[in-house]
Amino acid sequence: GENVEQHPSTLSVQEGDSAVIKCTYSDSASNYFPWYKQELGKRPQLIIDIRSNVGEKKDQRIAVTLNKTAKHFSLHITETQPEDSAVYFCAATYRAAGNKLTFGGGTRVLVKP
Amino acid sequence: DGGITQSPKYLFRKEGQNVTLSCEQNLNHDAMYWYRQDPGQGLRLIYYSQIVNDFQKGDIAEGYSVSREKKESFPLTVTSAQKNPTAFYLCASIGVTEAFFGQGTRLTVV
Repeated sequence: GENVEQHPSTLSVQEGDSAVIKCTYSDSASNYFPWYKQELGKRPQLIIDIRSNVGEKKDQRIAVTLNKTAKHFSLHITETQPEDSAVYFCAATYRAAGNKLTFGGGTRVLVKP
Repeated sequence: DGGITQSPKYLFRKEGQNVTLSCEQNLNHDAMYWYRQDPGQGLRLIYYSQIVNDFQKGDIAEGYSVSREKKESFPLTVTSAQKNPTAFYLCASIGVTEAFFGQGTRLTVV
């Protein structure tokens, strides 16, 4: 089955700096890679995703890059703000109805004002 | 509110007692999942169901049971066999891609 590893487990950045979280996956058949943000005590919510036919996707201050050959993908947050403080999870799956979504271990991001 | 509802939000269990967590969705998704989250930890898969009347064990199924009698509902029972049940439990339903999560149930053993 799929195995997703996520690094770092914690990340502290100064407000305005960039944050980068990296994930690797094991199953070369995986073709869909979402990122979820979980604020304290709340449910995870999708913030951005990327499919395997795309190398990079950007949405305002967040971007995701995918390297299929190396089987890794990364989340980039630019111009970080205090409201970016949360736990971020990457995930991987083969895109078909009902397929299991495998999550990474999460990264706790703290943006210091 | 995302179309998936968990109840209750907080639950207290006595030693040796079984408790059932509710998860209902109106998104018409076939697949539903239960995850456990411990403080500072990731999401660990307990059970999942890809279709009505069928479910599979996840990575940490021991001490838990589920049923999937209706497409909309996927209740999780935490049995007395689960020795360390205090955690945050998240239910999710998944369409073709995106997973939608419920607001979670925080279970505490008293």
